[in-house]
Amino acid sequence: AQSVTQPDIHITVSEGASLELRCNYSYGATPYLFWYVQSPGQGLQLLLKYFSGDTLVQGIKGFEAEFKRSQSSFNLRKPSVHWSDAAEYFCAVKTSYDKVIFGPGTSLSVIP
Amino acid sequence: EADIYQTPRYLVIGTGKKITLECSQTMGHDKMYWYQQDPGMELHLIHYSYGVNSTEKGDLSSESTVSRIRTEHFPLTLESARPSHTSQYLCASSEVGYSHFGPGTRLTVL
Repeated sequence: AQSVTQPDIHITVSEGASLELRCNYSYGATPYLFWYVQSPGQGLQLLLKYFSGDTLVQGIKGFEAEFKRSQSSFNLRKPSVHWSDAAEYFCAVKTSYDKVIFGPGTSLSVIP
Repeated sequence: EADIYQTPRYLVIGTGKKITLECSQTMGHDKMYWYQQDPGMELHLIHYSYGVNSTEKGDLSSESTVSRIRTEHFPLTLESARPSHTSQYLCASSEVGYSHFGPGTRLTVL
């Protein structure tokens, strides 16, 4: 069965520090992978997506993610975190039936 | 401007009431979805539709029902709301690619 895990429930980083949010997936075929961000009281906004090709994808707000097939991972990174990045981050995989399965989310806090 | 809308944004209602959560999108997408999200928890798919007159149950069992009479409209209905229905409900639509999400409806049933 398809699944998405995000090992870190909550992460706290200092403003200006680098960030890496982990995501692992279980899916038999080549996955379509996504990272979404949800600010408090808001819907989800797409940060970036991977369909094929270059395994390092660039997204909005300075985020990037790297697809590693051998590790079934799609970790999200940002070199320098801003206070406005504090939010909930969801990794997701789209199945062959066009259903999107979300991970449990990682809550990011940013210390000034 | 192409977008996806949900109304109401917030709803507080008493037990036993019938409610309908509205979702509309202006992008002409065939696929639409409803997700339920408890505070601080992951999203669970409760309904989806591949087009007009197509509706399917999602992975999480829900007492709600949906309809898809028009491409742009995918309302969710609870015939008799209960406190266990208190949650956030997110609507989404997609084309080939990623899902666009609405702002959500935060429902509280007293």
